[in-house]
Amino acid sequence: AQSVAQPEDQVNVAEGNPLTVKCTYSVSGNPYLFWYVQYPNRGLQFLLKYITGDNLVKGSYGFEAEFNKSQTSFHLKKPSALVSDSALYFCAVRAGGYQKVTFGTGTKLQVIP
Amino acid sequence: SAVISQKPSRDICQRGTSLTIQCQVDSQVTMMFWYRQQPGQSLTLIATANQGSEATYESGFVIDKFPISRPNLTFSTLTVSNMSPEDSSIYLCSVLGGQGQPQHFGDGTRLSIL
Repeated sequence: AQSVAQPEDQVNVAEGNPLTVKCTYSVSGNPYLFWYVQYPNRGLQFLLKYITGDNLVKGSYGFEAEFNKSQTSFHLKKPSALVSDSALYFCAVRAGGYQKVTFGTGTKLQVIP
Repeated sequence: SAVISQKPSRDICQRGTSLTIQCQVDSQVTMMFWYRQQPGQSLTLIATANQGSEATYESGFVIDKFPISRPNLTFSTLTVSNMSPEDSSIYLCSVLGGQGQPQHFGDGTRLSIL
């Protein structure tokens, strides 16, 4: 069975500081990994994905994520946080192209002006 | 990426009634999914909507409670039947365009049961 862990319910960061939202996963085989963001009263918006290739993946809105196979992690990062980045972030994993996705429990990011 | 329109965006319903949620996609997609999300919480997959056949339900969800239709590759409906306050939640439609592609989501239907 596959699983995703987001160990922090909430992350607080000052505007302009770097941010990290943590994600670890467990899956059989090569993982397909995703990050999504959810703003209030909206659905989930896709940020970035790792399928294969470079371990550092760049996505929308200046976000990036680093795939670490040995640590089974896929942490989301941004060099300089904006107040508008405040939202709920979900990490997700699936075992193959058409397999079911498993979502983490979500991390609320609060960027403080 | 696919544009997904979900209707209604929100509703307040009486106990014991049923509500049908519609999901329209602007392109043909292979797989469509219905999720439930308690406010501020993660997503729980209800079922996979299969075109031309019955939906595939996850453990804890049954067809009598959540009947699903998928008449073609761009449209699906989810009905929440005989609603109770425990059904108050956000219901999300999602599509998968192809292998290796991410899922994309509609904006959800926020449902409150009185």
